[in-house]
Amino acid sequence: GQNIDQPTEMTATEGAIVQINCTYQTSGFNGLFWYQQHAGEAPTFLSYNVLDGLEEKGRFSSFLSRSKGYSYLLLKELQMKDSASYLCAVRDPRADKLIFGTGTRLQVFP
Amino acid sequence: EAGVAQSPRYKIIEKRQSVAFWCNPISGHATLYWYQQILGQGPKLLIQFQNNGVVDDSQLPKDRFSAERLKGVDSTLKIQPAKLEDSAVYLCASSFSGGRGANEQFFGPGTRLTVL
Repeated sequence: GQNIDQPTEMTATEGAIVQINCTYQTSGFNGLFWYQQHAGEAPTFLSYNVLDGLEEKGRFSSFLSRSKGYSYLLLKELQMKDSASYLCAVRDPRADKLIFGTGTRLQVFP
Repeated sequence: EAGVAQSPRYKIIEKRQSVAFWCNPISGHATLYWYQQILGQGPKLLIQFQNNGVVDDSQLPKDRFSAERLKGVDSTLKIQPAKLEDSAVYLCASSFSGGRGANEQFFGPGTRLTVL
C-alpha cells in the first residue's frame, strides 16, 4: 500500500526555525517532493530529493533518508508569508505519478 | 512563460447536475494530470495523460467522471451526475516528460466545485 504521514498542524514564531517531518511507505520510490500551498492557491514546487542527504535552497532545506523512509523540510528565519500548507509527495516510478500526504498546515506568529 | 490555465475558477451546482472543467497546460508539456483535493487533504490523482493517451486512471470514478485530451494539449474533466462528496478543488498540473530529474509538476489555480 501507499502511506505518507505528516503532522497535521504546526505553529512557530517569526524568525525561528521549524522542521516538518514526513515518513513514507510506498511500493515504489523515484524521488520525494515538497510543495508549498497557500490557502486557496495551487501548490508550488519547493524541493526534490532522490538521493540521501540534504538539499539546501535559500531559507529552505530538505533532507532524505531512503533506508528510513523519512524526509524533513527545514524552514529557517521564518517569515509571516511562510504560513501555508506544506505537502510531502513521493513519486511512483511505475507511472511517474505523485502520491501526496495530507499536508502540514504551518502558522507563523509574530 | 505562461502557467497552467484552468477554467472556471469557481462552480456551484446542485447534486445530479453535470459539470465540466477545462485545462490548458504549459506549452510543450507532454504529461497532464487531474487531481481532486478535498478540504484539509492532499491532492489525489484522478487521471494522468501522456500526450493524448491515458497512463493512469485507477482512481477515477468512471461511473461518473470522464476526461479527455483529444489533441494532446487541452484537457476537459467532466462529472455527470455530481454528488455532494464531489465538492472539492480540481487541480490540473503538467510536466515536461516522465522520469528524469526533478521534472516537477506545475499546477494550475484550480476549480473550486461546490455541490449543493
